[in-house]
Amino acid sequence: RKEVEQDPGPFNVPEGATVAFNCTYSNSASQSFFWYRQDCRKEPKLLMSVYSSGNEDGRFTAQLNRASQYISLLIRDSKLSDSATYLCVVAPVGDDKIIFGKGTRLHILP
Amino acid sequence: DTEVTQTPKHLVMGMTNKKSLKCEQHMGHRAMYWYKQKAKKPPELMFVYSYEKLSINESVPSRFSPECPNSSLLNLHLHALQPEDSALYLCASSQGPQDRSSPYEQYFGPGTRLTVT
Repeated sequence: RKEVEQDPGPFNVPEGATVAFNCTYSNSASQSFFWYRQDCRKEPKLLMSVYSSGNEDGRFTAQLNRASQYISLLIRDSKLSDSATYLCVVAPVGDDKIIFGKGTRLHILP
Repeated sequence: DTEVTQTPKHLVMGMTNKKSLKCEQHMGHRAMYWYKQKAKKPPELMFVYSYEKLSINESVPSRFSPECPNSSLLNLHLHALQPEDSALYLCASSQGPQDRSSPYEQYFGPGTRLTVT
């Protein structure tokens, strides 16, 4: 089983719709979880850290399910500018390394 | 301020050239990273420096040589590269290793797009 798995997509979603991504991880010692977005030919940018209690930032909601070892990202009222690749990132406690998923490509359609 | 800067933005070099990539952060972060990213792939870790000491080398070929002159600067020296080394090279920094109370995010610079001819 890969360390971090994501559906590569692409997800083609009409503007205004809600879209959800899931990501599973294999190392139960993983402690920190993040979602990054990456635009074409740009660097990854931190979108959200994911906390055990779940967290929300505007149209974006992240959830963590430790028992099932997955994290999710929900985007509501999607905008054209949300088109990007979304990278799920997992880090074990006490480690400098972070593990990237392969990314999920999202295209918001006008 | 969560800015990591990298120079140059673009670099074209021949297989016999020697060049260096530079990275700088002024966030007081103690860990700095080099990643290599190919198109449609996630970033691939190359090196980690922690408190200016090399802590992780992901079996990177010796034609890539990292250097950390001080806590704010990170260099990647390139020599005798191959065309397959053409990629986006990303630098990142982080406050520290993950602990149970606080996730330490990594912040990325804009990258150097390297082409080896």
